[in-house]
Amino acid sequence: DTGVSQDPRHKITKRGQNVTFRCDPISEHNRLYWYRQTLGQGPEFLTYFQNEAQLEKSRLLSDRFSAERPKGSFSTLEIQRTEQGDSAMYLCASSSGQVGQFFGPGTRLTVL
Amino acid sequence: DAKTTQPPSMDCAEGRAANLPCNHSTISGNEYVYWYRQIHSQGPQYIIHGLKNNETNEMASLIITEDRKSSTLILPHATLRDTAVYYCIVRVYGGSQGNLIFGKGTKLSVKP
Repeated sequence: DTGVSQDPRHKITKRGQNVTFRCDPISEHNRLYWYRQTLGQGPEFLTYFQNEAQLEKSRLLSDRFSAERPKGSFSTLEIQRTEQGDSAMYLCASSSGQVGQFFGPGTRLTVL
Repeated sequence: DAKTTQPPSMDCAEGRAANLPCNHSTISGNEYVYWYRQIHSQGPQYIIHGLKNNETNEMASLIITEDRKSSTLILPHATLRDTAVYYCIVRVYGGSQGNLIFGKGTKLSVKP
């Protein structure tokens, strides 16, 4: 399968713990995006990379959130000191700048 | 905020055409209309995009009005597997701006 993959698919953590998610984009795509989706809402943009450069960050990306894309390949999204309000589906997408963005299956985070 | 307006829900009989409307009255000259859909518990899936001409691919057809203020996504022969939330999004094609701005979309229910 050559689509976007995300790991883990599900994560349950206790409030205050740190979590890290991984996204592997489609190999030839130089753009990578992170979104967050809560129940009943459309996805909300978090951040965007072109190659290894982080070009945009949403106001939703608080200081507790950090994203990296070393060497312009896979990306990680870390949430420090998780809060119950962080519970959501975290979606990763990639594109080549043409056509549309291709989304992964998402990581569902539950903060207890 | 999303630049598009869609009905919150629609029903369609299996085998019939599903016509999903979208209003985007403030669309700019260099903005394209994109359609995505999200099947329950999956990441969004790109369907089609267009600027001003009607477009067709293996999944759907996109009809854009001459003034570009509205469009219709057509699924010619809806199946039960087309039940999903459909999002209409306007954005610059391949632009430096990374993110897609999702609204709440239209929940399409295809019924037997």
